[in-house]
Amino acid sequence: EAGVAQSPRYKIIEKRQSVAFWCNPISGHATLYWYQQILGQGPKLLIQFQNNGVVDDSQLPKDRFSAERLKGVDSTLKIQPAKLEDSAVYLCASSLDPAGDPYEQYFGPGTRLTVT
Amino acid sequence: GQNIDQPTEMTATEGAIVQINCTYQTSGFNGLFWYQQHAGEAPTFLSYNVLDGLEEKGRFSSFLSRSKGYSYLLLKELQMKDSASYLCAVRVKGGSYIPTFGRGTSLIVHP
Repeated sequence: EAGVAQSPRYKIIEKRQSVAFWCNPISGHATLYWYQQILGQGPKLLIQFQNNGVVDDSQLPKDRFSAERLKGVDSTLKIQPAKLEDSAVYLCASSLDPAGDPYEQYFGPGTRLTVT
Repeated sequence: GQNIDQPTEMTATEGAIVQINCTYQTSGFNGLFWYQQHAGEAPTFLSYNVLDGLEEKGRFSSFLSRSKGYSYLLLKELQMKDSASYLCAVRVKGGSYIPTFGRGTSLIVHP
């Protein structure tokens, strides 16, 4: 089975520029997550989608970050304008049912963003 | 929220056994996960515990004590490829059921 796909793998931008990341989850997975992982830390959830609806975006800095999953499959995460502290790896993950048991998230390879 | 604590770094010798501990403070506990993350790669699922006790899966075992807010990941017959970060994550009931990740434990296996 194909895994979670993300692009680009690497991105370098200057502060105040904008950037967008793309994610294609595993086929059939209704739930999609975006995480931010700063070097040396664990992943921090930014937003969770169930199909094309937002379930949790409490930790998304909404003044500069936005995300959408219009057709309930692919998703994009945008940062506008970027700050130096946004330098991190942005991980996309998907799962069948977050409340289910057993439960497992499948992560994509991530996009490493460097803001200079 | 959840407070999750794990050692920052551990070292061990190839062929040995290592135990990585994780302690947590939370209400409405609904499961604890262990993920492995190699440098520059995405986390991959290792184990999930929701009841007390030991879950064994090949060279890896995970233990949970809900009353103590404690878990450990046990790695046996260590191999060089086990050098990675090991993330403990805790899920609570209700809401979005999203696990909260700890900072991870960087394990270095040397010959």
